Amino acid sequence: EVQLVESGGGLVQPGRSLKLSCLASGFTFSNYGMNWIRQAPGKGLEWVASISSSSSYIYYADTVKGRFTISRDNAKNTLYLQMTSLRSEDTALYYCARDGGYPDYWGQGVMVTVSS
Amino acid sequence: DIQMTQSPASLSASLGETVSIECLASEDIYNNLAWYQQKPGKSPQLLIYYASSLQDGVPSRFSGSGSGTQYSLKINSLESEDAATYFCLQDSEYPWTFGGGTKLELK
Repeated sequence: EVQLVESGGGLVQPGRSLKLSCLASGFTFSNYGMNWIRQAPGKGLEWVASISSSSSYIYYADTVKGRFTISRDNAKNTLYLQMTSLRSEDTALYYCARDGGYPDYWGQGVMVTVSS
Repeated sequence: DIQMTQSPASLSASLGETVSIECLASEDIYNNLAWYQQKPGKSPQLLIYYASSLQDGVPSRFSGSGSGTQYSLKINSLESEDAATYFCLQDSEYPWTFGGGTKLELK
């Protein structure tokens, strides 16, 4: 069974940093690209970043480019999102999602709240 | 960026009815469209990929169609468990973009 478990969220002040993790199990992690997708409270979904299986290709939404860094450790079956210079508009539930050609399996999400 | 215009924003229907949700892309997305169902407090679940392929385990009353810039999700014989918000996603090119969502309420 595919499982994706996010962690690392919490309350952080504007301008500070936070690093999210997503531990994958139930599939060969190194064979799949991965994504971060977020959802602000009561709002729709916003794609944040994608990384290919070997980290050769990385893409970011303009809203986070230069502030967020997606990475992965295939030996640890873990996806990361390093978030810096956080803003109030980054407040959201962050999902990691496996890329099976499209996001096919999603984690339960981790909440990030940016507030002073 | 490709804009995804989803309609309607909300929908109310009765058990057993058939409903359709539309997504209009601002340019050709070559069938690179997925549909998701999200229930309150839950993560999105994939229903349809490549515009019309049914994800394993998804009931056959869900179907997708379309091409070019116009796509639709059809739900036949509505059941109570279908009450949810539905989103489309284009993954034809980065940045991936989602439709605004359709909240389906069962009468």
